[in-house]
Amino acid sequence: EVQLLESGGGLVQPGGSLRLSCAASGFTVNNYVMSWVRQAPGKGLEWASIISAGGDTYYADSVKGRFTISRDNSKNTLYLQMNSLRSEDTAVYYCARRGDSSGWYYAYWGQGTVVTVSS
Amino acid sequence: EIVLTQSPGTLSLSPGERATLSCRASQSVSRSYLAWYQQKPGQAPRLLIYGASSRATGIPDRFSGSGSGTDFTLTISRLEPEDLAVYYCQQYDNSPQTFGQGTKVEIK
Repeated sequence: EVQLLESGGGLVQPGGSLRLSCAASGFTVNNYVMSWVRQAPGKGLEWASIISAGGDTYYADSVKGRFTISRDNSKNTLYLQMNSLRSEDTAVYYCARRGDSSGWYYAYWGQGTVVTVSS
Repeated sequence: EIVLTQSPGTLSLSPGERATLSCRASQSVSRSYLAWYQQKPGQAPRLLIYGASSRATGIPDRFSGSGSGTDFTLTISRLEPEDLAVYYCQQYDNSPQTFGQGTKVEIK
């Protein structure tokens, strides 16, 4: 059974850093496209970052240069390093895995971890 | 960037009624790379439909997707109380992938 479990969220001051983790089970993270999708309070879904099976990384313009997506195959875990955090980064952050058909849609989601950027 | 506009913003229907949700794209989603997700209150999104019309594993057949090009539809044939949720469309044909703003389905 595919499972995704995020951790690492919390309260951080503007300009601070945080690293989110997403522990995967039931599959190997380096064999799939994995993403971070976020949702600001009361708002819709926003894609933040993707890492392909080949290791290519992509970022939304809103986080480019500040966030870094990576994975540790030995721990079967996806990460999101978030630096220079802003109040507008406050959101629930979900990790998600693509499905088995063509294209980067998301068949599996974690439960989310809350990031609050505030002084 | 492809902008997805969902309508209506809120849909209020009685159990057993048919719900029709629209997702319109600002430019063609040429490979029908469009997905629909359901998000119940306090929960993570759940995949309903991918490839515009393929139902995800375990999704009841009262949920169906259709459309192509710039106009896509999610239909719930017979609403049930547990269908109370916000529904999002997502295009993954063009980078960056984008989501619509959501349609809230309320049960009368």
